[in-house]
Amino acid sequence: QKEVEQDPGPLSVPEGAIVSLNCTYSNSAFQYFMWYRQYSRKGPELLMYTYSSGNKEDGRFTAQVDKSSKYISLFIRDSQPSDSATYLCAMMVANSGGSNYKLTFGKGTLLTVNP
Amino acid sequence: NAGVTQTPKFRVLKTGQSMTLLCAQDMNHEYMYWYRQDPGMGLRLIHYSVGEGTTAKGEVPDGYNVSRLKKQNFLLGLESAAPSQTSVYFCASSYRGNLAKNIQYFGAGTRLSVL
Repeated sequence: QKEVEQDPGPLSVPEGAIVSLNCTYSNSAFQYFMWYRQYSRKGPELLMYTYSSGNKEDGRFTAQVDKSSKYISLFIRDSQPSDSATYLCAMMVANSGGSNYKLTFGKGTLLTVNP
Repeated sequence: NAGVTQTPKFRVLKTGQSMTLLCAQDMNHEYMYWYRQDPGMGLRLIHYSVGEGTTAKGEVPDGYNVSRLKKQNFLLGLESAAPSQTSVYFCASSYRGNLAKNIQYFGAGTRLSVL
């Protein structure tokens, strides 16, 4: 079983739809959870960053973490064509020294929002 | 503030040729990383560095070498390119210390084709 599983899609929705993107993971040591957005032919950029279980909201975006189920989600409300991109989940473990460097990425979900 | 800059943006090599990819960051980050991104495989860590003069192997290090002679630069070398190394290469950097600040910032990528 891979450490992080993410449905690659593709996912196509009409403008204004609510989008739900999900990842599951197997390593219970993951403590930090991120969503990166990657536009075509660009590098990934951080979209959301959460530490604990629960919800974190930023504008139209909500990140949700359920550590008991090892499941994270990203919700996009009122989706726009400009949201069309690949969304990658990423997770991080804190090592014993307290510093951290290793991210484990999902494979990414390609989202298209149609006008 | 340029962030993370990768050169070159595109390159075509013949099998057996060598080349060096350059990554430069102006954020005074301690950690730097090299990833490759392939369709269906997601982002995979090749090598990383936790400080000037240090390097370490990631998930897929074979066929690559790296050097971190200066804090702001991280070089990725291919000594004898193979078609299997055709990919998009991303460099990233992050701050060492407070875990909440350990966010990886990515460059725009280098598209490499090995014929």
